[in-house]
Amino acid sequence: DSGVTQTPKHLITATGQRVTLRCSPRSGDLSVYWYQQSLDQGLQFLIQYYNGEERAKGNILERFSAQQFPDLHSELNLSSLELGDSALYFCASTPSGRTTDTQYFGPGTRLTVL
Amino acid sequence: GQSLEQPSEVTAVEGAIVQINCTYQTSGFYGLSWYQQHDGGAPTFLSYNALDGLEETGRFSSFLSRSDSYGYLLLQELQMKDSASYFCAVRGSGNTPLVFGKGTRLSVIA
Repeated sequence: DSGVTQTPKHLITATGQRVTLRCSPRSGDLSVYWYQQSLDQGLQFLIQYYNGEERAKGNILERFSAQQFPDLHSELNLSSLELGDSALYFCASTPSGRTTDTQYFGPGTRLTVL
Repeated sequence: GQSLEQPSEVTAVEGAIVQINCTYQTSGFYGLSWYQQHDGGAPTFLSYNALDGLEETGRFSSFLSRSDSYGYLLLQELQMKDSASYFCAVRGSGNTPLVFGKGTRLSVIA
């Protein structure tokens, strides 16, 4: 158990819908990262937040957005869902004092778009 | 940008030693990390090399050669539970995010 929690574990929805994925980092960790993992694309970095502020952005679609709240939990919002958005979504956090290279991943949310 | 190359699949016998290689191209370099991911599970941090040389953690060791833009993960005394995917990852500079390789699927056979 990494200490990072994610909900829900599974999500099944239809094309065109909007969903919200939630992540709570390890206690005391200020950085949160979001990743998308699909079979053909591997682990793709989406976005990073540090203490409530956006720190880095990857290949995140305009239909996707995220935020980190004052209690440090983060939410990833996916809208106008397409079949290709079906994937595992992970969040991760980095312990304070450690570099970005050390990340602890949550169990993931498996999103299925039908 | 950054790119990484690692073999897609490796098979090894229980009790043996296996080496998973990773070559990278990056503008700027902070370090090479390794992560393990079992099927259906989350990636788990294994090791990090910022300087040349070998880092040992139990049965796992990781090596880095910055001049060759090359590293490897060495797994000794292989066990069936080591069957998993192994990802190398690099960070180019500053607060740039980690870029992961496509992963090497290790199968340990009896």
